[in-house]
Amino acid sequence: DIVMTQSPDSLAVSLGERATINCKSSQSILNTSNKKNSLGWYQQKLGQPPKLLIYWASTRESGVPDRFSGSGSGTDFSLTISTVQAEDVAVYYCHQYYSTPDTLGQGTKLEIK
Amino acid sequence: QVQLQESGPGLVKPSQTLSLTCTVSGGSIIGGNYYWSWVRQPAGKGLEWIGHVYISGSTNYNPSLKNRVTISLDTSKNQFSLRLSSVTAADTAVYYCSRCGGPPTFDYWGPGIPVTVSS
Repeated sequence: DIVMTQSPDSLAVSLGERATINCKSSQSILNTSNKKNSLGWYQQKLGQPPKLLIYWASTRESGVPDRFSGSGSGTDFSLTISTVQAEDVAVYYCHQYYSTPDTLGQGTKLEIK
Repeated sequence: QVQLQESGPGLVKPSQTLSLTCTVSGGSIIGGNYYWSWVRQPAGKGLEWIGHVYISGSTNYNPSLKNRVTISLDTSKNQFSLRLSSVTAADTAVYYCSRCGGPPTFDYWGPGIPVTVSS
C-alpha cells in the first residue's frame, strides 16, 4: 500500500495569513499515461463529510475558492491557503488514487491563532 | 445535483454482520463511469477506504478488510450496499458512502452514519 504522510499534524494561523500543508507519498504517484499526479485534497469540517477541494494535485474542484491551491509532483505535494479565513477551520486530508487500495493521509488540523 | 444517503442499524453486536445501504438520488447509479465507494472514519481518527463497486458490478476492496467485506449494486432501487462480517469493536466508526468519478476522487458524499459495535 502507498503510505501518505502529512505534515504538520496541526497548524495555527492568523486570519489573513498563509497556510501550507504538506503531503508525502511512499512512492511516486505520477500517472505516466496522462502525466498527472493522482492526488486529491479534501476539507472536513466538524461533524461533516469531507469535501473535495483539489484533484490531479493542482486542479480546483468547481466552486472551491481560489485561495486554495495545490502543487507538487512525484512524491511531495502541498496544499496552500493563501489568506486563511475563519471558515477554513477544518481537518485537511490528502488522498492518492494512483493504486488500490486508495489511501489517505492522517489529516492536518487547521486552527486560527 | 447528486445526493447520497446512508441507512442501516446504528448498533451491531460483535461477530455479527454490519449491513448498510446508500441511496443515490439526482441521477442514475449507472448513468456514468462511476465507482460507488464506502469510506469509514473511527471517532477522532482519519479516513479509511473500504472498497467500491463499479457500474458493471465489479468490485475492489481494501486488502485489510477483503475477507469480510462485500459491496453490491441494486440498480432497480438506485442503491448500493455494504456488508461487513465478523465485526469487532475496531469496526466502530462513521461510515460514509461516496461517488468516485473521473478523475477518481470522491466528489459526492453522504452525511455519514455512525455505527457502534457493542453487545
